[in-house]
Amino acid sequence: GAGVSQSPSNKVTEKGKDVELRCDPISGHTALYWYRQRLGQGLEFLIYFQGNSAPDKSGLPSDRFSAERTGESVSTLTIQRTQQEDSAVYLCASSSRTAAKNIQYFGAGTRLSVL
Amino acid sequence: GQQVMQIPQYQHVQEGEDFTTYCNSSTTLSNIQWYKQRPGGHPVFLIQLVKSGEVKKQKRLTFQFGEAKKNSSLHITATQTTDVGTYFCAGTHTGGFKTIFGAGTRLFVKA
Repeated sequence: GAGVSQSPSNKVTEKGKDVELRCDPISGHTALYWYRQRLGQGLEFLIYFQGNSAPDKSGLPSDRFSAERTGESVSTLTIQRTQQEDSAVYLCASSSRTAAKNIQYFGAGTRLSVL
Repeated sequence: GQQVMQIPQYQHVQEGEDFTTYCNSSTTLSNIQWYKQRPGGHPVFLIQLVKSGEVKKQKRLTFQFGEAKKNSSLHITATQTTDVGTYFCAGTHTGGFKTIFGAGTRLFVKA
């Protein structure tokens, strides 16, 4: 597609349920990032994928959070047993190591509300 | 771990006043990028600097990359209400590939 696509745009769930968020990066972008942004706060790095290298998971806040990416395509971020403090906007960004090196292009985000 | 520090956290200005946000890294950066996030939106790329001492301008915005490639600044001349938002710097440390964001500076402009 023309840009980074994220789905769903909004997700309301009950505490304790699992959720899965999807990111479809720009075609050909080898790098993909997930961030969490709480209301009025900055970008909290979660995980980074670069091609077929092992992902950098150093930002995942707990073992309830996991993410997968197959090759250079779609990525899913899964939050298990959601808690109220997981409520935030989850942003995905992709970038290329060749053209326009390292510039991140963001999706519109998924707004997660945990009741 | 590697970090990119950004100050101030927020700034309130009167329309027409100037504004500057600063970004600093303890290690050299291969490049620095600046993004703007409007309220309710997502970060949007503004500019990238790669050369030591580089200065770039976009209308009222001036971006600088330090001689040592460890710091950068964004200066807005004569702010307007349309400048409201959060400005983020993001750097890639030399030898690495991952780009790391600063905490952002939130700009409030009073008309």
